[in-house]
Amino acid sequence: NAGVTQTPKFQVLKTGQSMTLQCAQDMNHEYMSWYRQDPGMGLRLIHYSVGAGITDQGEVPNGYNVSRSTTEDFPLRLLSAAPSQTSVYFCASSYSIAVGSGFHSEQFFGPGTRLTVL
Amino acid sequence: AQSVTQLGSHVSVSEGALVLLRCNYSSSVPPYLFWYVQYPNQGLQLLLKYTSAATLVKGINGFEAEFKKSETSFHLTKPSAHMSDAAEYFCAVSESNNNDMRFGAGTRLTVKP
Repeated sequence: NAGVTQTPKFQVLKTGQSMTLQCAQDMNHEYMSWYRQDPGMGLRLIHYSVGAGITDQGEVPNGYNVSRSTTEDFPLRLLSAAPSQTSVYFCASSYSIAVGSGFHSEQFFGPGTRLTVL
Repeated sequence: AQSVTQLGSHVSVSEGALVLLRCNYSSSVPPYLFWYVQYPNQGLQLLLKYTSAATLVKGINGFEAEFKKSETSFHLTKPSAHMSDAAEYFCAVSESNNNDMRFGAGTRLTVKP
């Protein structure tokens, strides 16, 4: 299994340009998510999906769109890039296992995409 | 919503010394807690996780963490630091009724020879 893959590894954009960060997983995980990592702020959740056709917003969704047409793929779109979106982006997927009255998940992370917006 | 606070953005220890990285959480329901490690220019790797079984959790690379409900803490320890432990460490919490995981700001561990 390749696990979680992300492309591209590096990207430089000009302000106002659009692009899509690709994420794919081959573990048949229902749950996928996108995070951005900025110095001193840890990872912040942008958007997540609990299954194909279902997406929801995380902590910092503004400026980003997502869709989930298949279980495997979860692309992140920047419609009009801004310098504030310069960051490292991580995609993650997870399974859920029932534990007592609840369930827990373990997230598997991709290698990241380093994005610079000039 | 759940949240995590990591005390100390940078921790420096000598090789062979005890490693202690602090994490406190906030959650309205029983939490699940995780520690991840990130080496330079890499993604996050799971070190260990607490899922309401034993309160003392052992992970990879000799790390362990203890869940203390009364203190809302989940501190990470290792008895003897190695140079290879130098990395950034993230504590994370998710609640038992959803998959939404929240991360702390991270602690950068430096190991001196």
